[in-house]
Amino acid sequence: GAVVSQHPSRVICKSGTSVKIECRSLDFQATTMFWYRQFPKKSLMLMATSNEGSKATYEQGVEKDKFLINHASLTLSTLTVTSAHPEDSSFYICSAQGDSSNTGELFFGEGSRLTVL
Amino acid sequence: AQSVTQLGSHVSVSEGALVLLRCNYSSSVPPYLFWYVQYPNQGLQLLLKYTSAATLVKGINGFEAEFKKSETSFHLTKPSAHMSDAAEYFCAVSGGMTGNQFYFGTGTSLTVIP
Repeated sequence: GAVVSQHPSRVICKSGTSVKIECRSLDFQATTMFWYRQFPKKSLMLMATSNEGSKATYEQGVEKDKFLINHASLTLSTLTVTSAHPEDSSFYICSAQGDSSNTGELFFGEGSRLTVL
Repeated sequence: AQSVTQLGSHVSVSEGALVLLRCNYSSSVPPYLFWYVQYPNQGLQLLLKYTSAATLVKGINGFEAEFKKSETSFHLTKPSAHMSDAAEYFCAVSGGMTGNQFYFGTGTSLTVIP
């Protein structure tokens, strides 16, 4: 199957700093990428949908200015958590859909665990 | 509109016993259905998917699921549980087209007892 790589897998930062998480599709062109947040023992909460070259569509309740999403190319999307605070600590997962997929199947990155001190 | 309900947030089975994880869906269009597995601190891995072909779908690691339209169900089964099957399992539904949003169930945590 297609491969999606997420980096970094773990990041620890101080409160008030910004953190960037990268999501790359390694062997296909991802026309659509999704960013999820997962709390302990909980399901995935969709944060936003991004399409290459256009602004991301955020889910209700997700702060656009705090969670900046950029999908500058067909193989890369980034999530930047700006002015991070301890409540932003979570597991963030990206997924991607390829334009050649006729089932809309999602391919997931390995996830990034953010800890804000 | 589409949604997924997973009955049972925790399921425990003995090693070697049948695994049955339940998933019911609602969809206004012919659904595409998926089961994903998540191991601790990892992303999600596709187990299997139903895309309007055969109703009995076989996936990786010995798992299979049967699409039953009359019951709006897509339960996941495995004849004999292995210790390595302990993980979180998510059922998901989508409209099938690229760009369509996925709707995930709340997940079922599978524990395998030796």
